[in-house]
Amino acid sequence: GAVVSQHPSWVICKSGTSVKIECRSLDFQATTMFWYRQFPKQSLMLMATSNEGSKATYEQGVEKDKFLINHASLTLSTLTVTSAHPEDSSFYICSARDASGTSGRATGETQYFGPGTRLLVL
Amino acid sequence: GQNIDQPTEMTATEGAIVQINCTYQTSGFNGLFWYQQHAGEAPTFLSYNVLDGLEEKGRFSSFLSRSKGYSYLLLKELQMKDSASYLCAPMDSNYQLIWGAGTKLIIKP
Repeated sequence: GAVVSQHPSWVICKSGTSVKIECRSLDFQATTMFWYRQFPKQSLMLMATSNEGSKATYEQGVEKDKFLINHASLTLSTLTVTSAHPEDSSFYICSARDASGTSGRATGETQYFGPGTRLLVL
Repeated sequence: GQNIDQPTEMTATEGAIVQINCTYQTSGFNGLFWYQQHAGEAPTFLSYNVLDGLEEKGRFSSFLSRSKGYSYLLLKELQMKDSASYLCAPMDSNYQLIWGAGTKLIIKP
């Protein structure tokens, strides 16, 4: 249980294009999903917290108009990087929290991570 | 402020035991997680401690002392595949995980 998928796993795009990344909880309902970014050899940086059916909460310094987050259902959240630039190249990782306990895990606060999406903007 | 302190890097021998220490300071506390992250991959959940004491799960054990703001992850019978970064992540009063840079563990034959 508690499997999170992310698609695509790799994206190479031209500067100025928009990229959409999907995060799905496969076997549990995720009332809350998180979007992180990680640069090489650095710690995970939380970008935003997404609650199903409401607006995402962005961390300080993260542009909400550039990183659009939609959490339309209990199993799907999407991150769209609009007008991507080379500095947006990074490893984007989502995680999902099974607060309802539907995955059968012991605690509802555990975040389960997707495999990540590598974005390279040329 | 919120802070996590872990060694940057540790080296151990295959078959041995290693203990990765973590001290933390958070605004409130709702438990502490340990995650494993292999190079180029996303983190995977290892353990969760919310009460003081030792939680054992196979070759991995995690210990917590809330009064000392201290946790450790103990890895026994080390295998080459255990080479990874280990992330100590306490949860603050807002149920937000606080992330440090983790400890890179290198296993040698």
